[in-house]
Amino acid sequence: GAVVSQHPSRVICKSGTSVKIECRSLDFQATTMFWYRQFPKKSLMLMATSNEGSKATYEQGVEKDKFLINHASLTLSTLTVTSAHPEDSSFYICSAGNVDQPQHFGDGTRLSIL
Amino acid sequence: EDQVTQSPEALRLQEGESSSLNCSYTVSGLRGLFWYRQDPGKGPEFLFTLYSAGEEKEKERLKATLTKKESFLHITAPKPEDSATYLCAVQASGSARQLTFGSGTQLTVLP
Repeated sequence: GAVVSQHPSRVICKSGTSVKIECRSLDFQATTMFWYRQFPKKSLMLMATSNEGSKATYEQGVEKDKFLINHASLTLSTLTVTSAHPEDSSFYICSAGNVDQPQHFGDGTRLSIL
Repeated sequence: EDQVTQSPEALRLQEGESSSLNCSYTVSGLRGLFWYRQDPGKGPEFLFTLYSAGEEKEKERLKATLTKKESFLHITAPKPEDSATYLCAVQASGSARQLTFGSGTQLTVLP
């Protein structure tokens, strides 16, 4: 069964709306989770590393004020896309895994901004 | 900078026609190389981790191998349900465990 749960699976909203995506580790505690973005027929691009109890680490070119990450507990990280615009439309995926385990991925969130 | 290149981009096979997918990588110290399967509209599903050159792992019709420069995913007698995008990723030693992905191979197995 799934070890990482991501919610919602699909969001359609108007431009200017802020959207929150949740990522939960179900069977284990994760001090670190990762957020990726995937464009159609492209690979996963790491956006940021979410660290429990501290600030997220963002990859070069990713706006931290646009993509707010909160990792308030060992089983939950959230990604909030603030004031979303059509160019933010994409497939967002989170992953989690303990130190000696492979990363397991959520089923992704399809975000469509009208 | 860590880099992963997968080939071919797309592969069409007849059911039962064995083949291999390639993953070439450059990394500043390899902690692990990972193979994932991704179905449309879903997140990647973990298949294998390889840690050192010469290592091999098998699962059903899939077998993954690793050298110092590349990894192969061998598919023996594939079935239509093996159709998916196969992603290769590397994890560098000393990193915060983030993965660098290749662009994937889209496999279609025809009945």
